[in-house]
Amino acid sequence: NAGVTQTPKFRILKIGQSMTLQCTQDMNHNYMYWYRQDPGMGLKLIYYSVGAGITDKGEVPNGYNVSRSTTEDFPLRLELAAPSQTSVYFCASSYLGATGDRSGNTIYFGEGSWLTVV
Amino acid sequence: LAKTTQPISMDSYEGQEVNITCSHNNIATNDYITWYQQFPSQGPRFIIQGYKTKVTNEVASLFIPADRKSSTLSLPRVSLSDTAVYYCLVGDMTRDDKIIFGKGTRLHILP
Repeated sequence: NAGVTQTPKFRILKIGQSMTLQCTQDMNHNYMYWYRQDPGMGLKLIYYSVGAGITDKGEVPNGYNVSRSTTEDFPLRLELAAPSQTSVYFCASSYLGATGDRSGNTIYFGEGSWLTVV
Repeated sequence: LAKTTQPISMDSYEGQEVNITCSHNNIATNDYITWYQQFPSQGPRFIIQGYKTKVTNEVASLFIPADRKSSTLSLPRVSLSDTAVYYCLVGDMTRDDKIIFGKGTRLHILP
């Protein structure tokens, strides 16, 4: 069981370059999330999706874009990389059934993608 | 998600029991309390969830008083490998799509 897979694991970008962080999950989860975590800090939600074709902004969406064309994939796009986007990026997913089990929705995280913008 | 307050950091020694308290005065009737653990250079992972009284699993125990305005994560006989950040989340997972993590509690276990 692969769970949540992120690529690449490490990347160095130059200022102004663009790139896409890939995220895929094989658990048939409907919810997916992107977080960033700066050194010594907590997680900040960038974007999230409650299903294919539906995305919404989190706490810190500026400078990023997402799409959700399939249930499995949730790529994060950085259009014009800036040093402030140097961070570790975590993709995550969870499942919420139609009947709404309030106790559920455990969130599963990927291993992270370390991005440095120079 | 309900607003939560946790200590920023805690130190303890190997073999001790560690209790991390989370305050959530505005918890709603349908809210559950969930704790996540994040080791250095890894994504967070679920450790325990509860609604009321006490929940125990192989990793930790979660104590929730009757008024549910706080909860305590208890880690028995910690080891160096329990050094991590612990996050308390309180919410109704059928309603709260925007899952926001706070700063968590940075637990440092000393030899």
